[in-house]
Amino acid sequence: IAGITQAPTSQILAAGRRMTLRCTQDMRHNAMYWYRQDLGLGLRLIHYSNTAGTTGKGEVPDGYSVSRANTDDFPLTLASAVPSQTSVYFCASSEGTSAYNEQFFGPGTRLTVL
Amino acid sequence: GQNIDQPTEMTATEGAIVQINCTYQTSGFNGLFWYQQHAGEAPTFLSYNVLDGLEEKGRFSSFLSRSKGYSYLLLKELQMKDSASYLCAVMDSNYQLIWGAGTKLIIKP
Repeated sequence: IAGITQAPTSQILAAGRRMTLRCTQDMRHNAMYWYRQDLGLGLRLIHYSNTAGTTGKGEVPDGYSVSRANTDDFPLTLASAVPSQTSVYFCASSEGTSAYNEQFFGPGTRLTVL
Repeated sequence: GQNIDQPTEMTATEGAIVQINCTYQTSGFNGLFWYQQHAGEAPTFLSYNVLDGLEEKGRFSSFLSRSKGYSYLLLKELQMKDSASYLCAVMDSNYQLIWGAGTKLIIKP
């Protein structure tokens, strides 16, 4: 059982290019999340999905889009990458969205935009 | 605005006890989480508090005072493997997690 997987592990990308970060979970969790983690800052929510077929914007959604066609997959797309999107990206999932719902994290994708 | 404050870095000695504090101001409160994150790895869940008081789980304990907007994580009998960042996060009124920047804990022999 893998839990949550992310791909790629790391990527160097030229500015202006389109990039999709993949996230798959096998826990049948309803909710999924995308965060970015930058040095000196807390994890910041980019987009979330409370259940398959629905998505919502987090704290820093600009420049990113997501889709949730099924329960397991939650890809994050950068339509036209910019250097400020250089970061470590974590995908997470939780069983539900009520108060006590531990989030489980994937191993992360380290993205560098040049 | 919403704010989570915790110390940037702390140093402690192997075998000792350390307390990592977290203060918060958020729009609503649906619980406080502590996560551990080793360098280069994903955060992993440590504890959850929603009522005032102390929750103990082995060598780790977490305390919450909702009236003071304050929590701490207490680590006892420190081991070298406890060297990591400890992240405080509050679940707000929209059931979203608001994260602190994390406290890097350095354990010295």
